[in-house]
Amino acid sequence: EPEVTQTPSHQVTQMGQEVILRCVPISNHLYFYWYRQILGQKVEFLVSFYNNEISEKSEIFDDQFSVERPDGSNFTLKIRSTKLEDSAMYFCASTPYEGRELFFGEGSRLTVL
Amino acid sequence: RKEVEQDPGPFNVPEGATVAFNCTYSNSASQSFFWYRQDCRKEPKLLMSVYSSGNEDGRFTAQLNRASQYISLLIRDSKLSDSATYLCVVNRGYKYIFGTGTRLKVLA
Repeated sequence: EPEVTQTPSHQVTQMGQEVILRCVPISNHLYFYWYRQILGQKVEFLVSFYNNEISEKSEIFDDQFSVERPDGSNFTLKIRSTKLEDSAMYFCASTPYEGRELFFGEGSRLTVL
Repeated sequence: RKEVEQDPGPFNVPEGATVAFNCTYSNSASQSFFWYRQDCRKEPKLLMSVYSSGNEDGRFTAQLNRASQYISLLIRDSKLSDSATYLCVVNRGYKYIFGTGTRLKVLA
């Protein structure tokens, strides 16, 4: 069964460092998402991406964040200068059509020291 | 007011019990609705989509009431393996909004 894959599964970084989280969405999906979940809290929307551009972003997704689809398969989330409060699980998701169910990757746990 | 609201629980129920979860959403422009299940420190996994006509999948029944902006999930004959957090998810355009989740613990 096709699945969304994410790397790394866990990354530890120092405050102020740049981090890139990678995702390979399901191959025939057209809509891509990043969510984050701080430990013990709700799943929060960060950004949606369609047709090679951001379709919507939340207030969390400030200038420190960027997304890119550098080739036909990868979808990346970059955090330019990490803060302690960026420590969270980051989930990538994709869907074939707007309004259909989201398929999630297993997540990338980011720890900022 | 939160866009998607759920009772966080926890709901502690004995094996075999029937349990119901509710969810309300505030934006009437919301288009599609889902229940996801999340185990501790894992990714959300689709449990079922929710339709106005109601839908059932084995022991699970979901219902949508658009007029009241209300979604429900009923679990019959609870199993120990049903212990998890149940997430109500509402789609509006390019955005899927998650509720805080309702924790369920099924006790032996």
